[in-house]
Amino acid sequence: GQQVMQIPQYQHVQEGEDFTTYCNSSTTLSNIQWYKQRPGGHPVFLIQLVKSGEVKKQKRLTFQFGEAKKNSSLHITATQTTDVGTYFCAGLDFNKFYFGSGTKLNVKP
Amino acid sequence: EADIYQTPRYLVIGTGKKITLECSQTMGHDKMYWYQQDPGMELHLIHYSYGVNSTEKGDLSSESTVSRIRTEHFPLTLESARPSHTSQYLCASSEYLGQGTDEQFFGPGTRLTVL
Repeated sequence: GQQVMQIPQYQHVQEGEDFTTYCNSSTTLSNIQWYKQRPGGHPVFLIQLVKSGEVKKQKRLTFQFGEAKKNSSLHITATQTTDVGTYFCAGLDFNKFYFGSGTKLNVKP
Repeated sequence: EADIYQTPRYLVIGTGKKITLECSQTMGHDKMYWYQQDPGMELHLIHYSYGVNSTEKGDLSSESTVSRIRTEHFPLTLESARPSHTSQYLCASSEYLGQGTDEQFFGPGTRLTVL
């Protein structure tokens, strides 16, 4: 069945360092979404990527969708303490969303 | 802030009880979803709906049912609660905006404990 893997599971960085999380699907996806979940909160939508090779930026966040539409990455430049949380990717395959296991980011001030 | 609501927020119940988790949205979204999430883990799709009288099973649906009689309302029912159902249940909705855009708005969740 469909699987979406996400690495790393945890990442501890010093404030100001960069951070990247990777998402890999076992099948080709229609699109991929990224969400952020703060501790004790619910997932909040960040962005959606649809096209092969697409790259989108939101201030310090850069999102990329692979050419084969089976992998994606989220890169944060110069992390801040407000970036703390778990980042999930969610791939759309045959009208169902499959969430990755998430990468928990901790930022030390 | 998205207008999607879930009740109750917390529920502690005994084994074998029938429970219904409520979810309502006021955004007029056609698509609605139920996910199960254990602390710090991924979200698993339980059920989803494309609109009134439309319901589909996700990968984790065998012990629950849903209904979609009104656009804004998508309740989830567990016929006989078990300790293995202890988890957080998240409801979400989305509006198809064309070109495959499907931003999901999540409710605050129901944290269920089955004793």
